[in-house]
Amino acid sequence: KQEVTQIPAALSVPEGENLVLNCSFTDSAIYNLQWFRQDPGKGLTSLLLIQSSQREQTSGRLNASLDKSSGRSTLYIAASQPGDSATYLCAANNYGQNFVFGPGTRLSVLP
Amino acid sequence: EAQVTQNPRYLITVTGKKLTVTCSQNMNHEYMSWYRQDPGLGLRQIYYSMNVEVTDKGDVPEGYKVSRKEKRNFPLILESPSPNQTSLYFCASSSTGGVTGELFFGEGSRLTVL
Repeated sequence: KQEVTQIPAALSVPEGENLVLNCSFTDSAIYNLQWFRQDPGKGLTSLLLIQSSQREQTSGRLNASLDKSSGRSTLYIAASQPGDSATYLCAANNYGQNFVFGPGTRLSVLP
Repeated sequence: EAQVTQNPRYLITVTGKKLTVTCSQNMNHEYMSWYRQDPGLGLRQIYYSMNVEVTDKGDVPEGYKVSRKEKRNFPLILESPSPNQTSLYFCASSSTGGVTGELFFGEGSRLTVL
């Protein structure tokens, strides 16, 4: 059964820093991996989707990489801003549309 | 605008009073799913549907029912709600064909059962 973990559970950084969030999964037979952002009490907003055949995806200051063989994905945020403060979740999409979520990393970017 | 719409967004009810949370998507997605989110437990899947008339249990299906009579709608039914079903509920949808499979979420429905 797929298990997804995220490290760290929480992170606090000063504004302007570059940072990396980690996502690990136990079963490499995934269709894709998706990163989401969630603000407190709100819905999940899709940030980046990486197909199993891809190595990375970029959107603005965000870059996500995928290494299926090692069961890892990272989300890189460049030049962090206070508006980036949120919880970031990754989800592994196993064949058969079984989406398994990690517990999330709670990010605080201090002005 | 492509979206997943849930209603109601907020609901307070009492134990045993049947309720339905509606979910509708306008993206012609085959796959739809319900999740609940609780502090410390993360997102847990309740039920999912691969297409019309096809539904299956997720990780925490007890106390819930679903139906998929139309492609765009996937209501979540609580026949006899109990306080342990107090939670934040999310509906999501995704295409199953092609190379996307991106999961889109609704805004969430916060349910309190007294």
